Amino acid sequence: GDSVTQMEGPVTLSEEAFLTINCTYTATGYPSLFWYVQYPGEGLQLLLKATKADDKGSNKGFEATYRKETTSFHLEKGSVQVSDSAVYFCALKSGGSYIPTFGRGTSLIVHP
Amino acid sequence: GAVVSQHPSRVICKSGTSVKIECRSLDFQATTMFWYRQFPKQSLMLMATSNEGSKATYEQGVEKDKFLINHASLTLSTLTVTSAHPEDSSFYICSARGGLARSGSSYEQYFGPGTRLTVT
Repeated sequence: GDSVTQMEGPVTLSEEAFLTINCTYTATGYPSLFWYVQYPGEGLQLLLKATKADDKGSNKGFEATYRKETTSFHLEKGSVQVSDSAVYFCALKSGGSYIPTFGRGTSLIVHP
Repeated sequence: GAVVSQHPSRVICKSGTSVKIECRSLDFQATTMFWYRQFPKQSLMLMATSNEGSKATYEQGVEKDKFLINHASLTLSTLTVTSAHPEDSSFYICSARGGLARSGSSYEQYFGPGTRLTVT
């Protein structure tokens, strides 16, 4: 079945540091890939997505590129802020399903 | 973007009692609602999917008699945890999917803020 593997957290960074959160997946066919963010006390929000190989999703300074050859969708940001502190979930939707499969989430803590 | 609310945000109940959690889509009609359970440091586990006016479809291993789901209208779904036990303590998240009234985006899935249930 489909699965998503994320790096374990928490990831702790200083403000303006470079961020990478690794995500790899296993799926049949050609899934769509997503990153969701969950700020403290709030629900999940869609951060970015990519629907086919080599697509790059981007939003709020975050980027992720759909790499079919390595089955990866790593999340990156060049300069993190304290306000980026949250839990980040990698997810995929396979075939005609509208129900995403989520990774375990990676907590990001950014210090001033 | 669309807003999904949950109530209550946090509830503590005694073992053996039942507790109801509400999920509302505030500015769109949710044809489909989903209930998830999230354990600490774990992913979201889909419990069930419900379409308005029909019975919920439960995922394997989820007891439908324990987790009662009602999707009575296009803006409201409820999850009732019956005869709750400490092992039911968890973070429950709903999400809703449907066409948006004002945005050009449709059929996006929007998540509520979650409900922390503690059974003592």
